[in-house]
Amino acid sequence: KNEVEQSPQNLTAQEGEFITINCSYSVGISALHWLQQHPGGGIVSLFMLSSGKKKHGRLIATINIQEKHSSLHITASHPRDSAVYICAVSAPGGNQFYFGTGTSLTVIP
Amino acid sequence: EAGVVQSPRYKIIEKKQPVAFWCNPISGHNTLYWYLQNLGQGPELLIRYENEEAVDDSQLPKDRFSAERLKGVDSTLKIQPAELGDSAVYLCASSHRGQGFDEQFFGPGTRLTVL
Repeated sequence: KNEVEQSPQNLTAQEGEFITINCSYSVGISALHWLQQHPGGGIVSLFMLSSGKKKHGRLIATINIQEKHSSLHITASHPRDSAVYICAVSAPGGNQFYFGTGTSLTVIP
Repeated sequence: EAGVVQSPRYKIIEKKQPVAFWCNPISGHNTLYWYLQNLGQGPELLIRYENEEAVDDSQLPKDRFSAERLKGVDSTLKIQPAELGDSAVYLCASSHRGQGFDEQFFGPGTRLTVL
């Protein structure tokens, strides 16, 4: 049983395309996290949100608490966006995390 | 501010050998996590510490894995003896409570190869 499901698992896009990665979860949460992991690199937190929408540069994250669903959007994608994007949720109480299996994104020039 | 530090970054050992990983969390972070990450998968929790207390070690294979966090700061994760299936990236993370929930910060990981 996976508490966090992501789709798609793999995604290839042309540079400049608008990209959406989806995340659904089945547990109660205190927050949802979007993480980025470059090949051979560490994991970096992109967003942490508990409601609504957040924007940082070309990245936008939204969450619908009622539907237990979040999306990560990348506008005007660039090859440097190529990475694995991981959705994670923190349980109520805050310090127990559940992770999705990640979405591997490749942006082709 | 320094991030989460892990060492070594890479380790290659033969099966049945022991191996140890070290983690220094961000200063002031009470919660420390050890995760295992296989290729193409998300992190899987091995053990979570609150200060020096292991509060969740249900997924730690205790027959061969052990961990400690003396003084509630640095932590070590040990495997003895290592098996071929232990080849993976071992991630350490730490977190602090802010705005009602924790934000995790990850170290670069230790890539273990067991031959």
